[in-house]
Amino acid sequence: DAKTTQPPSMDCAEGRAANLPCNHSTISGNEYVYWYRQIHSQGPQYIIHGLKNNETNEMASLIITEDRKSSTLILPHATLRDTAVYYCIVNANAGKSTFGDGTTLTVKP
Amino acid sequence: DVKVTQSSRYLVKRTGEKVFLECVQDMDHENMFWYRQDPGLGLRLIYFSYDVKMKEKGDIPEGYSVSREKKERFSLILESASTNQTSMYLCASSSPRTGGRLEQYFGPGTRLTVT
Repeated sequence: DAKTTQPPSMDCAEGRAANLPCNHSTISGNEYVYWYRQIHSQGPQYIIHGLKNNETNEMASLIITEDRKSSTLILPHATLRDTAVYYCIVNANAGKSTFGDGTTLTVKP
Repeated sequence: DVKVTQSSRYLVKRTGEKVFLECVQDMDHENMFWYRQDPGLGLRLIYFSYDVKMKEKGDIPEGYSVSREKKERFSLILESASTNQTSMYLCASSSPRTGGRLEQYFGPGTRLTVT
Protein backbone atom coordinates (compact mmCIF):
# COMPACT_ATOMS: atom_id res chain seq x y z
CA ASP A 1 0.00 0.00 0.00
CA ALA A 2 1.16 3.49 -0.77
CA LYS A 3 2.45 5.56 2.10
CA THR A 4 0.87 8.94 2.78
CA THR A 5 2.31 12.12 4.24
CA GLN A 6 0.16 14.70 6.02
CA PRO A 7 1.05 17.79 8.04
CA PRO A 8 0.71 17.06 11.76
CA SER A 9 -1.56 20.01 12.50
CA MET A 10 -3.52 22.86 10.93
CA ASP A 11 -5.71 25.68 12.13
CA CYS A 12 -8.74 27.11 10.38
CA ALA A 13 -11.09 29.98 11.21
CA GLU A 14 -14.71 29.08 11.71
CA GLY A 15 -16.73 29.61 8.54
CA ARG A 16 -13.70 29.50 6.28
CA ALA A 17 -12.70 26.63 4.02
CA ALA A 18 -10.31 24.08 5.48
CA ASN A 19 -7.93 22.56 2.94
CA LEU A 20 -6.12 19.46 4.17
CA PRO A 21 -3.29 18.19 1.94
CA CYS A 22 -2.02 14.65 1.54
CA ASN A 23 0.96 13.39 -0.45
CA HIS A 24 0.90 9.86 -1.83
CA SER A 25 3.63 9.87 -4.46
CA THR A 26 3.91 6.05 -4.64
CA ILE A 27 0.23 5.42 -5.30
CA SER A 28 -0.58 2.60 -7.70
CA GLY A 29 -3.13 2.69 -10.47
CA ASN A 30 -5.74 0.63 -8.65
CA GLU A 31 -5.45 2.36 -5.28
CA TYR A 32 -8.16 4.65 -4.00
CA VAL A 33 -7.66 7.69 -1.80
CA TYR A 34 -9.83 7.60 1.33
CA TRP A 35 -10.36 10.23 3.98
CA TYR A 36 -11.58 9.62 7.52
CA ARG A 37 -11.79 11.79 10.57
CA GLN A 38 -11.77 11.00 14.26
CA ILE A 39 -13.34 13.29 16.78
CA HIS A 40 -11.93 12.92 20.27
CA SER A 41 -13.07 9.75 22.06
CA GLN A 42 -15.03 8.46 19.07
CA GLY A 43 -14.32 5.91 16.36
CA PRO A 44 -13.10 7.16 12.96
CA GLN A 45 -15.77 8.34 10.56
CA TYR A 46 -15.62 7.81 6.81
CA ILE A 47 -15.72 11.09 4.85
CA ILE A 48 -15.08 10.52 1.17
CA HIS A 49 -13.00 8.57 -1.32
CA GLY A 50 -11.89 8.82 -4.94
CA LEU A 51 -9.78 7.18 -7.61
CA LYS A 52 -9.03 9.73 -10.32
CA ASN A 53 -11.82 12.24 -10.52
CA ASN A 54 -12.65 14.91 -7.99
CA GLU A 55 -15.48 13.95 -5.69
CA THR A 56 -18.00 15.85 -3.60
CA ASN A 57 -20.54 14.77 -1.03
CA GLU A 58 -22.49 16.42 1.74
CA MET A 59 -19.48 16.48 4.02
CA ALA A 60 -16.54 17.49 1.84
CA SER A 61 -14.84 17.68 -1.53
CA LEU A 62 -11.83 15.68 -2.62
CA ILE A 63 -9.44 17.07 -5.19
CA ILE A 64 -6.95 14.60 -6.68
CA THR A 65 -4.12 15.88 -8.83
CA GLU A 66 -3.87 14.63 -12.39
CA ASP A 67 -0.78 12.55 -11.61
CA ARG A 68 -2.58 11.23 -8.50
CA LYS A 69 0.47 11.87 -6.33
CA SER A 70 -1.38 14.18 -3.98
CA SER A 71 -4.88 15.14 -2.93
CA THR A 72 -6.68 17.78 -0.88
CA LEU A 73 -9.71 17.37 1.32
CA ILE A 74 -11.82 20.51 1.43
CA LEU A 75 -14.32 21.33 4.15
CA PRO A 76 -16.05 24.32 2.52
CA HIS A 77 -17.34 26.05 5.66
CA ALA A 78 -15.56 24.70 8.70
CA THR A 79 -17.40 24.66 12.02
CA LEU A 80 -16.12 24.06 15.54
CA ARG A 81 -17.50 20.52 15.29
CA ASP A 82 -15.06 19.80 12.46
CA THR A 83 -12.17 19.90 14.93
CA ALA A 84 -10.76 16.39 14.64
CA VAL A 85 -7.86 14.27 13.40
CA TYR A 86 -8.12 13.72 9.64
CA TYR A 87 -6.60 10.62 8.08
CA CYS A 88 -5.67 10.18 4.43
CA ILE A 89 -5.33 6.55 3.38
CA VAL A 90 -4.39 4.99 0.08
CA ASN A 91 -5.32 1.39 -0.37
CA ALA A 92 -6.67 -1.21 -2.69
CA ASN A 93 -6.89 -4.18 -0.36
CA ALA A 94 -9.36 -4.90 2.38
CA GLY A 95 -7.98 -4.75 5.87
CA LYS A 96 -4.40 -3.96 5.01
CA SER A 97 -4.71 -0.24 5.43
CA THR A 98 -2.54 1.85 7.69
CA PHE A 99 -3.96 4.77 9.61
CA GLY A 100 -0.98 7.04 10.28
CA ASP A 101 -0.90 10.01 12.61
CA GLY A 102 -3.14 12.14 10.38
CA THR A 103 -3.62 15.91 10.59
CA THR A 104 -5.09 17.47 13.70
CA LEU A 105 -7.40 20.21 12.45
CA THR A 106 -8.39 22.85 14.97
CA VAL A 107 -11.23 25.14 13.95
CA LYS A 108 -11.09 28.38 15.89
CA PRO A 109 -13.91 30.85 16.53
CA ASP B 1 -27.31 4.44 8.67
CA VAL B 2 -24.75 1.76 9.35
CA LYS B 3 -24.54 0.93 12.98
CA VAL B 4 -21.55 -0.77 14.56
CA THR B 5 -21.85 -1.41 18.26
CA GLN B 6 -19.31 -2.64 20.76
CA SER B 7 -20.20 -4.40 23.96
CA SER B 8 -18.55 -1.96 26.37
CA ARG B 9 -17.17 1.58 26.24
CA TYR B 10 -14.90 1.01 29.25
CA LEU B 11 -13.52 -2.24 30.64
CA VAL B 12 -11.08 -2.98 33.46
CA LYS B 13 -9.54 -6.45 33.69
CA ARG B 14 -6.78 -8.08 35.68
CA THR B 15 -3.59 -9.53 34.24
CA GLY B 16 -4.11 -13.13 33.14
CA GLU B 17 -7.87 -12.86 32.68
CA LYS B 18 -9.53 -14.00 29.47
CA VAL B 19 -11.23 -11.02 27.86
CA PHE B 20 -13.95 -10.98 25.21
CA LEU B 21 -14.69 -7.86 23.18
CA GLU B 22 -17.84 -8.11 21.11
CA CYS B 23 -18.74 -6.20 17.98
CA VAL B 24 -22.05 -6.27 16.12
CA GLN B 25 -22.97 -4.57 12.84
CA ASP B 26 -26.46 -4.29 11.43
CA MET B 27 -25.78 -3.69 7.73
CA ASP B 28 -25.08 -7.21 6.53
CA HIS B 29 -21.44 -6.31 5.82
CA GLU B 30 -19.13 -9.10 4.77
CA ASN B 31 -15.93 -7.59 6.15
CA MET B 32 -15.18 -6.88 9.79
CA PHE B 33 -12.01 -5.59 11.45
CA TRP B 34 -10.44 -5.17 14.87
CA TYR B 35 -7.92 -2.38 15.49
CA ARG B 36 -6.18 -1.03 18.53
CA GLN B 37 -5.27 2.62 18.90
CA ASP B 38 -2.43 3.90 21.04
CA PRO B 39 -1.01 7.42 21.33
CA GLY B 40 1.75 7.98 18.80
CA LEU B 41 1.12 4.65 17.05
CA GLY B 42 -2.12 5.35 15.20
CA LEU B 43 -4.61 2.60 14.46
CA ARG B 44 -3.08 -0.82 14.04
CA LEU B 45 -4.93 -3.75 12.52
CA ILE B 46 -5.15 -6.85 14.72
CA TYR B 47 -7.38 -9.22 12.74
CA PHE B 48 -9.97 -9.03 10.01
CA SER B 49 -12.57 -11.31 8.51
CA TYR B 50 -13.98 -11.49 4.99
CA ASP B 51 -16.83 -13.81 5.83
CA VAL B 52 -18.29 -16.07 8.48
CA LYS B 53 -15.71 -18.42 9.96
CA MET B 54 -12.95 -16.75 7.96
CA LYS B 55 -10.19 -14.70 9.56
CA GLU B 56 -6.86 -13.24 8.62
CA LYS B 57 -4.07 -11.81 10.71
CA GLY B 58 -3.43 -8.13 10.58
CA ASP B 59 -0.26 -6.36 11.60
CA ILE B 60 -0.25 -7.19 15.31
CA PRO B 61 -2.13 -10.46 15.96
CA GLU B 62 0.11 -11.75 18.76
CA GLY B 63 -1.77 -12.25 22.01
CA TYR B 64 -5.18 -12.07 20.32
CA SER B 65 -7.62 -14.39 18.63
CA VAL B 66 -10.96 -13.79 16.94
CA SER B 67 -14.22 -15.57 16.29
CA ARG B 68 -16.84 -15.00 13.62
CA GLU B 69 -19.64 -17.52 13.92
CA LYS B 70 -22.33 -15.19 12.54
CA LYS B 71 -22.06 -12.58 9.82
CA GLU B 72 -23.06 -9.69 12.06
CA ARG B 73 -20.79 -10.50 15.00
CA PHE B 74 -17.00 -10.41 15.30
CA SER B 75 -15.38 -11.13 18.65
CA LEU B 76 -11.86 -10.27 19.77
CA ILE B 77 -10.40 -12.52 22.46
CA LEU B 78 -7.46 -11.80 24.72
CA GLU B 79 -6.55 -15.28 25.94
CA SER B 80 -4.50 -14.00 28.89
CA ALA B 81 -4.65 -10.25 29.25
CA SER B 82 -1.43 -8.38 29.87
CA THR B 83 -0.76 -4.77 30.83
CA ASN B 84 0.65 -4.00 27.37
CA GLN B 85 -2.78 -4.74 25.95
CA THR B 86 -4.21 -1.71 27.68
CA SER B 87 -5.53 0.29 24.76
CA MET B 88 -8.53 1.60 22.83
CA TYR B 89 -10.02 -1.19 20.71
CA LEU B 90 -12.01 -0.29 17.63
CA CYS B 91 -14.20 -2.52 15.53
CA ALA B 92 -15.16 -1.71 11.94
CA SER B 93 -17.15 -3.23 9.11
CA SER B 94 -17.37 -2.72 5.37
CA SER B 95 -18.83 -4.26 2.26
CA PRO B 96 -17.37 -4.51 -1.22
CA ARG B 97 -20.86 -3.65 -2.44
CA THR B 98 -20.67 -0.10 -1.02
CA GLY B 99 -17.82 1.45 -2.91
CA GLY B 100 -14.81 -0.49 -1.90
CA ARG B 101 -13.60 -2.60 0.91
CA LEU B 102 -11.94 0.24 2.71
CA GLU B 103 -15.05 2.34 3.23
CA GLN B 104 -15.15 1.21 6.80
CA TYR B 105 -17.70 2.07 9.45
CA PHE B 106 -16.36 2.13 12.97
CA GLY B 107 -17.86 1.46 16.35
CA PRO B 108 -17.42 3.85 19.29
CA GLY B 109 -14.48 1.91 20.72
CA THR B 110 -13.77 0.04 23.95
CA ARG B 111 -11.17 1.47 26.27
CA LEU B 112 -9.61 -1.54 27.96
CA THR B 113 -7.41 -1.20 31.02
CA VAL B 114 -5.47 -4.24 32.22
CA THR B 115 -4.16 -3.92 35.77
